[in-house]
Formats: sequence, structure tokens, C-alpha cells
Amino acid sequence: KNQVEQSPQSLIILEGKNCTLQCNYTVSPFSNLRWYKQDTGRGPVSLTIMTFSENTKSNGRYTATLDADTKQSSLHITASQLSDSASYICVVSGSGGSYIPTFGRGTSLIVHP
Amino acid sequence: EAQVTQNPRYLITVTGKKLTVTCSQNMNHEYMSWYRQDPGLGLRQIYYSMNVEVTDKGDVPEGYKVSRKEKRNFPLILESPSPNQTSLYFCASSPGALLRYGYTFGSGTRLTVV
Repeated sequence: KNQVEQSPQSLIILEGKNCTLQCNYTVSPFSNLRWYKQDTGRGPVSLTIMTFSENTKSNGRYTATLDADTKQSSLHITASQLSDSASYICVVSGSGGSYIPTFGRGTSLIVHP
Repeated sequence: EAQVTQNPRYLITVTGKKLTVTCSQNMNHEYMSWYRQDPGLGLRQIYYSMNVEVTDKGDVPEGYKVSRKEKRNFPLILESPSPNQTSLYFCASSPGALLRYGYTFGSGTRLTVV
């Protein structure tokens, strides 16, 4: 069964600090992996997409990495801001004909001043 | 502005009273989907639609119905709501089923069934 596991479940950091969120998946065959940011009570918004051939992709202070061999991805946030407080969701899509992407349960990040 | 619009944002209803949550997108997307989000469980897919008149079950379809008569609209119907359907619901759309473009999500509908 396709699974996406995210860690940690929650994280509290001080403003200005860096942090890294992890995503491990078992989806096969792999098509792409996306990181979404979800503010409380709002719909998720896409941050990055990673395909099989990509190792690193940046979007401002957000940098995603992908290791397709070990089926791991990380999202690194640099110089955190209060507005980074949100849930970060890893979503993996397969290429085997299923149109149901697999969602991780998310990492809840709280940035304190 | 390109968006997915859900209505209502908040809804409190009683057990057994039929309700419809509407979803409309203005991006001419082929693919639309409904999700529910519960604490600790993340987003779970209820139903999806790859195009007009084409719908299929997701992971948790029991107790829900959908229809796709027009490309832009994808309503979620609860014929006889029960308290275990209390949840936060999201509609999402994508240009195509391969999802390489990702989803655009609506702002959510918080449903409480008492």
C-alpha cells in the first residue's frame, strides 16, 4: 500500500532559525512529489514540485530535496518568519495509472518570536 | 482571479438532513476532487472527477455523492449526514489527472453534524 510518512509531527522554533522537515514514501512507481503549505483553516498551497530527475528545488526561503533511491524528501526553511507557522504536507503521486495521490499527515510548524 | 470557490464556509446541520456543498472553479480544469481533513488523519480523498460525467471513488466515499454535469462545478452531496461526517472539507482542481501541475484548493467548508 502506498504510504507517505512525515516527521516530525510538530515542531516549534524561534523566529530566524532554520528547520528541516522530512518525508518518506513508498509510492511506486513514482511520478512526482509536492510540498504544500497549509495555513490554519485555509486550503493547502503548493510550494514545490519534484520529479524523478530533480534533486533540489528552491522557492524563496524554501528548499526541497529529493532522493528517489531512498524515497526520501526534505523541506528546508531558512531564516524562519512568523508567517511560516503552518502545516506542511508532502504529497506523492504515482505513475502507475492511479489518480489518487497519497498525502502525508503533515508537520505542524510553529514559529515563535 | 483563478480560484476554486466553495460554499458555504461554515455549516451546522442535524443528522439526516440532506445537504450540498458547492464547488466551482474558473480555470477550465479537467480534474476536480473532494477531500476531508480530520485532526491527526490528514487529507483523505472522497471522490474525484477526471472530466464531465466522469467520477470515481477515492479512499473514503461512503456517505457521499458527487456529480459533474459541467466542467466548472463539482458539488458534494450528503444525502443523510451523520456526526462522523463532521469535518473540514476541501475541493481541489487540477489541469489534468496526471497532477504534474498540482492542485488548487478551495478555502474549505467546516461542517458540523449534530
